[in-house]
Amino acid sequence: AQSVTQLGSHVSVSEGALVLLRCNYSSSVPPYLFWYVQYPNQGLQLLLKYTSAATLVKGINGFEAEFKKSETSFHLTKPSAHMSDAAEYFCAVRRNTGNQFYFGTGTSLTVIP
Amino acid sequence: KAGVTQTPRYLIKTRGQQVTLSCSPISGHRSVSWYQQTPGQGLQFLFEYFSETQRNKGNFPGRFSGRQFSNSRSEMNVSTLELGDSALYLCASSATGGAGYGYTFGSGTRLTVV
Repeated sequence: AQSVTQLGSHVSVSEGALVLLRCNYSSSVPPYLFWYVQYPNQGLQLLLKYTSAATLVKGINGFEAEFKKSETSFHLTKPSAHMSDAAEYFCAVRRNTGNQFYFGTGTSLTVIP
Repeated sequence: KAGVTQTPRYLIKTRGQQVTLSCSPISGHRSVSWYQQTPGQGLQFLFEYFSETQRNKGNFPGRFSGRQFSNSRSEMNVSTLELGDSALYLCASSATGGAGYGYTFGSGTRLTVV
């Protein structure tokens, strides 16, 4: 079965500090991987996705993620946190077949001024 | 271009009633998926429609149903509402629904059952 594990339901960083949100997936074959962000009272916005092209994926708002097959990880990073990055972040996986996302439980990011 | 539009944004219903939620996908998108988001269960897949056909269904009781119209607009219906159905219901659309595509989500309908 497909699943993702997000380590740390709450992460706090200082403004300007590195953001690192962790995501590990379980799959027998490399799946499609996604990071979404959700602001309060909003839907989900796609940050970036891995579809087996490049292992380092760059997304919007300065975020990037690296696919590491050996570690079954797809961690999200941003070199310098901004106050506007405070939100809930979800890692998700999809298989080659089937059309549903399997979402992690989410990580709430707080940015301290 | 316009994004995914969900109506209404907020809804309050009484236990036992039924409710219909609407989703208008991005123009040209033929795949529409529905998700339920709750604090306890997180984001869970309800169903996916493509060209008016249900292609995939999550593990929800038969009280949850949906349909898609020829213009790709979709509705989901929940009958005999229970308190546990209180949630944010998210609709997402994609051009083809392929696994490698990132769906575009709407802002959701917040359903409260009292």
